[in-house]
Amino acid sequence: GAVVSQHPSWVICKSGTSVKIECRSLDFQATTMFWYRQFPKQSLMLMATSNEGSKATYEQGVEKDKFLINHASLTLSTLTVTSAHPEDSSFYICSARGALGGKETQYFGPGTRLLVL
Amino acid sequence: AQSVSQHNHHVILSEAASLELGCNYSYGGTVNLFWYVQYPGQHLQLLLKYFSGDPLVKGIKGFEAEFIKSKFSFNLRKPSVQWSDTAEYFCAVNSGYALNFGKGTSLLVTP
Repeated sequence: GAVVSQHPSWVICKSGTSVKIECRSLDFQATTMFWYRQFPKQSLMLMATSNEGSKATYEQGVEKDKFLINHASLTLSTLTVTSAHPEDSSFYICSARGALGGKETQYFGPGTRLLVL
Repeated sequence: AQSVSQHNHHVILSEAASLELGCNYSYGGTVNLFWYVQYPGQHLQLLLKYFSGDPLVKGIKGFEAEFIKSKFSFNLRKPSVQWSDTAEYFCAVNSGYALNFGKGTSLLVTP
């Protein structure tokens, strides 16, 4: 079946550094990729939507300059957390929307756990 | 705006008890419905999904869900839970854009 991968699966960094998270669709072309964030004990919150070759659309309250999203190809999207701070520590999940077998659906990556010290 | 609500935030059951988790959504158009499970320390996994056809959907690990269009509901059921079903369960609705998730229900199954 379709697989979406994320790299790294977890990362620990110092406050002030930038962290890049990759999201790849392995079996299909993802016309749209979504980035979610999950706070402890809470549901997933959509951060932004990116379409290949165009600028990402951010949800209200999400800082564009803080969370840089690049969707350079139909199989790769990256999320860069710039100048990370401890409050950015969270679980980041991407999902990719594409067609497989003629049916369009959305597949989730395994998530990236970020800890900012 | 589209919303997804899960009625129970925390559920505690004994092994072999039956489970039903409620999920309601507010959207009048065509929707795709999902239930995801997140086991402790793991990532989201798809339990089952409904796109069209038979409103009673069977998923993995003995779970099933019934889509009742008139009630805008997609409740998750399992006739007999196991300790290994302890996890967080998320209902999600896709109206053609991004998935909208409910806040999740934390299920604890006691031996």
